Amino acid sequence: GAVVSQHPSRVICKSGTSVKIECRSLDFQATTMFWYRQFPKQSLMLMATSNEGSKATYEQGVEKDKFLINHASLTLSTLTVTSAHPEDSSFYICSAGDRGRYNEQFFGPGTRLTVL
Amino acid sequence: AQTVTQSQPEMSVQEAETVTLSCTYDTSENNYYLFWYKQPPSRQMILVIRQEAYKQQNATENRFSVNFQKAAKSFSLKISDSQLGDTAMYFCAFAGMKTSYDKVIFGPGTSLSVIP
Repeated sequence: GAVVSQHPSRVICKSGTSVKIECRSLDFQATTMFWYRQFPKQSLMLMATSNEGSKATYEQGVEKDKFLINHASLTLSTLTVTSAHPEDSSFYICSAGDRGRYNEQFFGPGTRLTVL
Repeated sequence: AQTVTQSQPEMSVQEAETVTLSCTYDTSENNYYLFWYKQPPSRQMILVIRQEAYKQQNATENRFSVNFQKAAKSFSLKISDSQLGDTAMYFCAFAGMKTSYDKVIFGPGTSLSVIP
């Protein structure tokens, strides 16, 4: 149980285009989902906290208009990178929380974004 | 604000030997959760072990155990009988209990290599 999927696993796009990444909790309801960014050999950097039915809470320094987050249902959150540039290239990971499990977060497999 | 520190960027251990990874944290809260996550080359985040701060007993999961020193704000991970599959990045993490779902704060990570 507690499986989180992420799609796509890898995406390459041209500079200036927008890319949408989906995060789904497959076998539990996640009222809260988190989006992280990870650079090579570095830790996870929290970008935003996504709550179902409400606006996402962004961490300091994260551009809200560039990284659009939508949490339309208890099993789906999306991250859209708008007008992507090469510096947005990174590994993006989502996680979903199950309140019944000690605040444990269940992580998706990640999405590698490459902007040309 | 909470912070998590891991002072060992890289470590190595011989197969079948024991290794201890260090972690310290800073918080003003009395109740919280601590975690160790493993990130193998696949980059899938995997929960290794979890500790509730209000529990004095150190958590154990098979070959993995922790030494939780609340007063010293220390949370080390001991891996016994190291296996090649233990090669990965290990992240120490902190989560509060103030809200029903606090965000998780990750340390910078320790890269562990198990040598055959």
